[in-house]
Amino acid sequence: RKEVEQDPGPFNVPEGATVAFNCTYSNSASQSFFWYRQDCRKEPKLLMSVYSSGNEDGRFTAQLNRASQYISLLIRDSKLSDSATYLCVVNMYGGARGSTLGRLYFGRGTQLTVWP
Amino acid sequence: NAGVTQTPKFRVLKTGQSMTLLCAQDMNHEYMYWYRQDPGMGLRLIHYSVGEGTTAKGEVPDGYNVSRLKKQNFLLGLESAAPSQTSVYFCASSIDRPSTQSEKLFFGSGTQLSVL
Repeated sequence: RKEVEQDPGPFNVPEGATVAFNCTYSNSASQSFFWYRQDCRKEPKLLMSVYSSGNEDGRFTAQLNRASQYISLLIRDSKLSDSATYLCVVNMYGGARGSTLGRLYFGRGTQLTVWP
Repeated sequence: NAGVTQTPKFRVLKTGQSMTLLCAQDMNHEYMYWYRQDPGMGLRLIHYSVGEGTTAKGEVPDGYNVSRLKKQNFLLGLESAAPSQTSVYFCASSIDRPSTQSEKLFFGSGTQLSVL
């Protein structure tokens, strides 16, 4: 089983739609969780961290379910500019500085296209 | 406000040739990383460094070497390029180890490498 698995996508939605992505992770000891956004042929950029209590940033809402080991990202009122690939990122191990690095594992990404 | 700079942006090699990718960051970050991204796969960690003069293997280190002689620079070397190393390479840096919820990776713009 891959460490981080995401919805295969692609998702094609009209402007204004609400879209949700899910991501599952294999290591129950994972400590930190993130969503990154990657535009075509560009570098990934942090979209938001995912906190245990859930968190919201404008139109974006992230949820974490530790019991089921999944993370979700909800985008409300989709904009054309939301078109991108969304990467689920999970830290698999936390180690002391200088020893085993807390390693981030990236999902394959889910492609979103918002059309007018 | 350069952030993380990678050079070159594109390169074509013949099998067996060698080359070095340069990553430079001006944010005084301790941690630096090299990832590769292949179609249908998430970013995979090649090597990383937790500080000047230190390097360590990541998930897919074979065929690559790295050096961190100066804090701001992290070099990725291919001694004898193979077609399997055709990929997009991203350098990243972070203030501290990525096992803390508030930490984020800053990525360079990537290097497209083709090995014929």
